[in-house]
Amino acid sequence: NAGVTQTPKFQVLKTGQSMTLQCAQDMNHNSMYWYRQDPGMGLRLIYYSASEGTTDKGEVPNGYNVSRLNKREFSLRLESAAPSQTSVYFCASSSQPGTNQPQHFGDGTRLSIL
Amino acid sequence: GENVEQHPSTLSVQEGDSAVIKCTYSDSASNYFPWYKQELGKRPQLIIDIRSNVGEKKDQRIAVTLNKTAKHFSLHITETQPEDSAVYFCAASNGLNDYKLSFGAGTTVTVRA
Repeated sequence: NAGVTQTPKFQVLKTGQSMTLQCAQDMNHNSMYWYRQDPGMGLRLIYYSASEGTTDKGEVPNGYNVSRLNKREFSLRLESAAPSQTSVYFCASSSQPGTNQPQHFGDGTRLSIL
Repeated sequence: GENVEQHPSTLSVQEGDSAVIKCTYSDSASNYFPWYKQELGKRPQLIIDIRSNVGEKKDQRIAVTLNKTAKHFSLHITETQPEDSAVYFCAASNGLNDYKLSFGAGTTVTVRA
């Protein structure tokens, strides 16, 4: 039981390149989330998917797109990477919408954009 | 939207002493308050959570208190140990309308041996 798995763990991009971060969970959770973590700013929600087939913007969605591919997988895409998107990206999942269940995090993707 | 403020940003304590971290939130409809611990280079991990129908919850050396009237909640760690050194995040959410967690900026706790 791996929990939440993110790939890749590290990535360096050049400005303007595109990239997709992958996330998969094996806990049969309904809800999935993408956060970015920057020093001194905690975790900020980029996009979330309350259930399969739905996605919604979070606090900082600009420059990103997401796809809820199926119940297990939720990907985050940077279409044209910018240095301001250098960050650590965490994917998370939780079981049942509307009942405030804990969110479980993956190990993160450390992304640097030059 | 919800705004969560966390204090202090850094906290240094002597091993064996207690540590207290305080958070305030803005949305009176928030009803779920988890705390996460993040060790250097690792994922955030849930250590304790509290829902709005209780005022206090304990788990061994960790306790959380909630004051809904004042809209603040606190994490208490007693008998601190070196392995308690980490960044701690509070968060709040309103499960009625959405499932989004709003996080505080974090507190870096250092336990001195």
